[in-house]
Amino acid sequence: DGGITQSPKYLFRKEGQNVTLSCEQNLNHDAMYWYRQDPGQGLRLIYYSQIVNDFQKGDIAEGYSVSREKKESFPLTVTSAQKNPTAFYLCASSSLPPGGDSPLHFGNGTRLTVT
Amino acid sequence: GESVGLHLPTLSVQEGDNSIINCAYSNSASDYFIWYKQESGKGPQFIIDIRSNMDKRQGQRVTVLLNKTVKHLSLQIAATQPGDSAVYFCAENMGGTGANSKLTFGKGITLSVRP
Repeated sequence: DGGITQSPKYLFRKEGQNVTLSCEQNLNHDAMYWYRQDPGQGLRLIYYSQIVNDFQKGDIAEGYSVSREKKESFPLTVTSAQKNPTAFYLCASSSLPPGGDSPLHFGNGTRLTVT
Repeated sequence: GESVGLHLPTLSVQEGDNSIINCAYSNSASDYFIWYKQESGKGPQFIIDIRSNMDKRQGQRVTVLLNKTVKHLSLQIAATQPGDSAVYFCAENMGGTGANSKLTFGKGITLSVRP
């Protein structure tokens, strides 16, 4: 089955620790994205990548970092500089059709709790 | 599960009735729109999309209507079933680049289906 796999589903960390969330896709999509979802709010874009070894900041990139060493993988690191890291993190991917849009395909998320 | 539905408006419908979920979008320059469904503890699932050169598009049991004059998008679900209970949210894309980096998500509406 093609899809996006995020792991782990639940993650707990102490304040001051960096933590890396995994995202793998086998859809052969060029673009990958990380969103943050807080209760009662719309999704907010953290980082995105359209091609291997390249990525751009989204609307709320501060305190986060990413890498895109392989087409299939786009891990997100939540650093100790992120002031409010507890949230539901969603990874997504999409194709990049020439001159058009394509919908995002999402993973099932990682719930991060920092205490 | 993930409490993404907290503090969201709720639409309650009887099983078998038709549901209409509305969304007001913000930017008259947006040219691509998507509806997503999100069940508790899962990532958003693509339902249907529409481009700005159309005003109606039909899928299986769902219809999306776009009124650009008043910047309004609606999702109609025919013969609503218990499995349709979820949070629904719309997204608008201003980008036109295919990278979805200008995708803006609404906060969502909770659909509750009464048996």
